[in-house]
Amino acid sequence: NAGVTQTPKFRILKIGQSMTLQCTQDMNHNYMYWYRQDPGMGLKLIYYSVGAGITDKGEVPNGYNVSRSTTEDFPLRLELAAPSQTSVYFCASSSERITDTQYFGPGTRLTVL
Amino acid sequence: AQSVSQHNHHVILSEAASLELGCNYSYGGTVNLFWYVQYPGQHLQLLLKYFSGDPLVKGIKGFEAEFIKSKFSFNLRKPSVQWSDTAEYFCAVKNQAGTALIFGKGTTLSVSS
Repeated sequence: NAGVTQTPKFRILKIGQSMTLQCTQDMNHNYMYWYRQDPGMGLKLIYYSVGAGITDKGEVPNGYNVSRSTTEDFPLRLELAAPSQTSVYFCASSSERITDTQYFGPGTRLTVL
Repeated sequence: AQSVSQHNHHVILSEAASLELGCNYSYGGTVNLFWYVQYPGQHLQLLLKYFSGDPLVKGIKGFEAEFIKSKFSFNLRKPSVQWSDTAEYFCAVKNQAGTALIFGKGTTLSVSS
């Protein structure tokens, strides 16, 4: 199993540009999550999904959108990139409940200039 | 709002020294608690978790944590650290809605050989 994979690993965007961060898991997990990690700030939840077709906002959803059309994929969309979105983005998944172990992807380092 | 506090931002130890990393959470009800670790260049991975039962939880690589309800604490310990324990450590708690984890800001551990 590859686990949780994320693409791209690195990206530089200009202010106002859009992009999609891809996340795929091959563990047949129902729960998937997007976090952002800023230096010294820990991880903040952006969006999560409890299954295909079901998504909900986390702590810091503004400026982002998600969709979940399949169990495997959970892309994160930035519509109008802003410098405040410079961060490292992690995707994670867990099997049945939030109390189950979350498996993390390698992260995407995004810089908005 | 629920929160998680990690008292130490950066801890520097020599090999064989004992380790204790502090973690306090704000929610007073039933809690599910986690410690995650991020080794340099690697994914976040679970060290240990507490749901119920024995308040002393053992995890991977010789780590353990003690849940003390009266102190709202879940401190991470290791009797003798190794150079390979150099990493960033995150404490997390399940939120009240049961939909996501709330992470602390992390503690960077540097172990010198």
